[in-house]
Amino acid sequence: NAGVTQTPKFQVLKTGQSMTLQCAQDMNHNSMYWYRQDPGMGLRLIYYSASEGTTDKGEVPNGYNVSRLNKREFSLRLESAAPSQTSVYFCASSERPPSGSTGELFFGEGSRLTVL
Amino acid sequence: AQSVAQPEDQVNVAEGNPLTVKCTYSVSGNPYLFWYVQYPNRGLQFLLKYITGDNLVKGSYGFEAEFNKSQTSFHLKKPSALVSDSALYFCAVRDMRGGNYQLIWGAGTKLIIKP
Repeated sequence: NAGVTQTPKFQVLKTGQSMTLQCAQDMNHNSMYWYRQDPGMGLRLIYYSASEGTTDKGEVPNGYNVSRLNKREFSLRLESAAPSQTSVYFCASSERPPSGSTGELFFGEGSRLTVL
Repeated sequence: AQSVAQPEDQVNVAEGNPLTVKCTYSVSGNPYLFWYVQYPNRGLQFLLKYITGDNLVKGSYGFEAEFNKSQTSFHLKKPSALVSDSALYFCAVRDMRGGNYQLIWGAGTKLIIKP
């Protein structure tokens, strides 16, 4: 049981380049999330998808776009990378409470992105 | 504004001693409360949750947490710390009002267990 799988695990970009972070979950969860984690900043929500076919902005959406490709997959795209986007990115999934779930999140192992 | 506070950036405990990692929240209603742990270079892992019922909840790796409604706190505890408990701990609170079910995170507390 893989849980939440993120690719790539590491990436170095130059300013202005674009890239897509991929995320897939095999737990049949309805909701998926993208977070970034920076030293001293905790976790900040970039975008989330409460259910297939919907996406919503989180706390720090600027410079990012997302696609909920199907129930399993939720990708995060950086169209023109900036040094301020150097961070560790985590994808997570959960069931959507209260429909039989308390909504705890399951996280991927993270994608470490450096923008030069 | 809704918020979750973890007042200590770092907690240092000697191995074998009891540990407490503090969490207080400002979220109305009856929120769901969670603790997660993050080991170095890993993703976050769910530890335990409080939804309703007994104020003391037990979770993975011997951890427990005590819910106090009057103090709006949900402190993480363990009777005897292990060096392997050294990690980053996050408290999270899910607002169950309004249908959005927003999840609010604390900033994290680094737990260091010294041999």
